[in-house]
Amino acid sequence: GENVEQHPSTLSVQEGDSAVIKCTYSDSASNYFPWYKQELGKGPQLIIDIRSNVGEKKDQRIAVTLNKTAKHFSLHITETQPEDSAVYFCAARGTTDSWGKLQFGAGTQVVVTP
Amino acid sequence: DTEVTQTPKHLVMGMTNKKSLKCEQHMGHRAMYWYKQKAKKPPELMFVYSYEKLSINESVPSRFSPECPNSSLLNLHLHALQPEDSALYLCASSPTQGGEQYFGPGTRLTVT
Repeated sequence: GENVEQHPSTLSVQEGDSAVIKCTYSDSASNYFPWYKQELGKGPQLIIDIRSNVGEKKDQRIAVTLNKTAKHFSLHITETQPEDSAVYFCAARGTTDSWGKLQFGAGTQVVVTP
Repeated sequence: DTEVTQTPKHLVMGMTNKKSLKCEQHMGHRAMYWYKQKAKKPPELMFVYSYEKLSINESVPSRFSPECPNSSLLNLHLHALQPEDSALYLCASSPTQGGEQYFGPGTRLTVT
């Protein structure tokens, strides 16, 4: 099945700086890559996703890039704000399972300091 | 509206109790999921319902029993749980099985 590795496990940034989280996946046939933000005491929130036929997608201060050849994808947050502090999970949907189960990375704790 | 609601928010139960967790969505989604999340870990899939039928059971112990009464509701019945079952239980839904998943806020379960 699919295996997803996520780095770094923790990331501290100054307010206004950029943050980058990287994930690698193992199943070359994976075709869907969502990112979730989970604040303390809340459920994961889908913040952006990308499909394998697209190389980059942007939504305001958030962008995701996908390199299918290298089998990695990244989340970029620009002009970070304190409310960006949360745990971020990447995920990949493989195709070796019968229905394409989401495989999550281990998560990145992002702390934005004012 | 991408809201999934879950009740209760918190639940404390003894090992001999029977309780149920409830999940509801009104987005017309036809797939619903139960996940378990331990502290500082990603969500782990437990069950998937597609068109009100159980599609996936990730080898979950029988003390967890899911039920999907209709396309908007998903329940998780709990019986004879162990302290290690204490976790955040998350419900999610997607338009179809394998589509983008939207999570609820979760139920924080403590088994004493």
